[in-house]
Amino acid sequence: GAGVSQSPSNKVTEKGKDVELRCDPISGHTALYWYRQSLGQGLEFLIYFQGNSAPDKSGLPSDRFSAERTGGSVSTLTIQRTQQEDSAVYLCASSLRVAGGEQFFGPGTRLTVL
Amino acid sequence: GESVGLHLPTLSVQEGDNSIINCAYSNSASDYFIWYKQESGKGPQFIIDIRSNMDKRQGQRVTVLLNKTVKHLSLQIAATQPGDSAVYFCAENLRGLQGAQKLVFGQGTRLTINP
Repeated sequence: GAGVSQSPSNKVTEKGKDVELRCDPISGHTALYWYRQSLGQGLEFLIYFQGNSAPDKSGLPSDRFSAERTGGSVSTLTIQRTQQEDSAVYLCASSLRVAGGEQFFGPGTRLTVL
Repeated sequence: GESVGLHLPTLSVQEGDNSIINCAYSNSASDYFIWYKQESGKGPQFIIDIRSNMDKRQGQRVTVLLNKTVKHLSLQIAATQPGDSAVYFCAENLRGLQGAQKLVFGQGTRLTINP
């Protein structure tokens, strides 16, 4: 009965380093989404996965960002060569179905790039 | 740029009063709208949604109104409680690949309930 979980909850890194953020969706949810939330701002769509279909990467801000979803469950968002402007809260959400399904959000990972 | 925005960044109301949070959207083709509540340190939590073929939908203490003519969305919270203090986001659904939801969020309104 657990909700969406994300790890780590906080990540501090130095500029130029790579980071990996993990998302465990609700079991049985076929769709998984990543969003970015900058301080005091709304959520910015990054990418979503639906089953084994090709992901929609249209929201990724640069080629330094990539994401994978293994086995239709856990997802990892990777940011290479981090920049200070990457500092934000990265939120993951999952939904039972793709079209019209309520998205359940995890608590987010707060990334700080020094 | 964002197609969804909020009129007021902050709103303070007295406990027990009703509150109204407003939202404007720009994509007239959007067919689905959602309100989320986000408490400090937590992810957004679904409150209520509405499809474009409706102009009003009610939940428990919450009502969403949709005016497609002026592309305006509002969230009414009745008899506010301290636990209602949070940031409220409206989101507009843009269909992505295979009909998936691509939510475009507004910047949010911080609602504070004063005791």
